[in-house]
Amino acid sequence: DTEVTQTPKHLVMGMTNKKSLKCEQHMGHRAMYWYKQKAKKPPELMFVYSYEKLSINESVPSRFSPECPNSSLLNLHLHALQPEDSALYLCASSQAGKNTEAFFGQGTRLTVV
Amino acid sequence: EDQVTQSPEALRLQEGESSSLNCSYTVSGLRGLFWYRQDPGKGPEFLFTLYSAGEEKEKERLKATLTKKESFLHITAPKPEDSATYLCAVQARAGSYQLTFGKGTKLSVIP
Repeated sequence: DTEVTQTPKHLVMGMTNKKSLKCEQHMGHRAMYWYKQKAKKPPELMFVYSYEKLSINESVPSRFSPECPNSSLLNLHLHALQPEDSALYLCASSQAGKNTEAFFGQGTRLTVV
Repeated sequence: EDQVTQSPEALRLQEGESSSLNCSYTVSGLRGLFWYRQDPGKGPEFLFTLYSAGEEKEKERLKATLTKKESFLHITAPKPEDSATYLCAVQARAGSYQLTFGKGTKLSVIP
């Protein structure tokens, strides 16, 4: 099973709203990632968690707040977003400590109005 | 700075017309090169990992190869369902989780 599950699939939120994106994997992977992808562009890394600890934050604005409650779950809390934050948000996971492939979820299509 | 360049940006093939996609890279010590397929509005689907020059991997109509400077994704006798954007990504530096993606090649296979 190489499945990474993301919810919701679609989300529309106002600039004053607070929402959360969720990601779950049961492959025993100890590295989990959030990527942002704009239309016709490649994915851009936002955050990396390794063994439930934040190891990489690619200078992401504080209106995006990641959380890794346990080894299977990853959340992305959203607050006071801007319309330019509208994008496909992708979660991925991989084995930690090795140069192995990352498996991606189907993404959450976020629209900020 | 690590760089990945994919060519062509778009490729249109007739069904059954074989071709290759190119991924050129410059990295400070390649740890792994990855190929993904992405359908519109979906997450990337993992295809192959290549670690060293001379390595080859195959899956159905796809074959990936790696040299010291580039990787090729060969598509043999493609079908319309192979239409997608193909992304190449490299992982450099030991212990790094950072993936550097190319901009992708959008493949269209016409019946």
